[in-house]
Amino acid sequence: DTAVSQTPKYLVTQMGNDKSIKCEQNLGHDTMYWYKQDSKKFLKIMFSYNNKELIINETVPNRFSPKSPDKAHLNLHINSLELGDSAVYFCASSHGHRLTYNEQFFGPGTRLTVL
Amino acid sequence: GQQLNQSPQSMFIQEGEDVSMNCTSSSIFNTWLWYKQDPGEGPVLLIALYKAGELTSNGRLTAQFGITRKDSFLNISASIPSDVGIYFCAGLPLDSWGKLQFGAGTQVVVTP
Repeated sequence: DTAVSQTPKYLVTQMGNDKSIKCEQNLGHDTMYWYKQDSKKFLKIMFSYNNKELIINETVPNRFSPKSPDKAHLNLHINSLELGDSAVYFCASSHGHRLTYNEQFFGPGTRLTVL
Repeated sequence: GQQLNQSPQSMFIQEGEDVSMNCTSSSIFNTWLWYKQDPGEGPVLLIALYKAGELTSNGRLTAQFGITRKDSFLNISASIPSDVGIYFCAGLPLDSWGKLQFGAGTQVVVTP
């Protein structure tokens, strides 16, 4: 029944490692997003894909690479993890990115801790 | 990106009281969304607003899309303990390609 799901829920790793976070939505939406929430709870968009095509790429280090194998999945791969990458990462989805009715639905989040 | 100005930053209220929070922007927005985030969870959509002046309710929650299209407020009436959480406003500027901008959040604490 889950609408937007993410795995893993928690991720603890060492600096310099490479890790991936997976996201899936069963809402039939065309657009998916990755957000980063910092320690002050501020939410900032990182990437967006519409039908597997990248449409938003904010100023994010190129160590972060999103991949969308199909429109129901958007994964986030992070190379050479740094301490500052520690945060909660949220996946979200919406019907479209240019439609008026663009409500975004969020997953439960992945708490990444880099030691 | 631009950050919306959301206030207050936090509120400590007694059960049964009403809560009001608002967001302002220097830009015109096409859509205003209000979310609630519980600890350890993702933001949950409460109310969506699409037209200037629109007033929408969801149970004890009421939100309005400002006439100038640069602000929105959320009211919670007769608060209960489960209203505790962080409330976020979020807005979509014109032709934003889905680039939702978030306020910094309002932490609501309800005491019995």
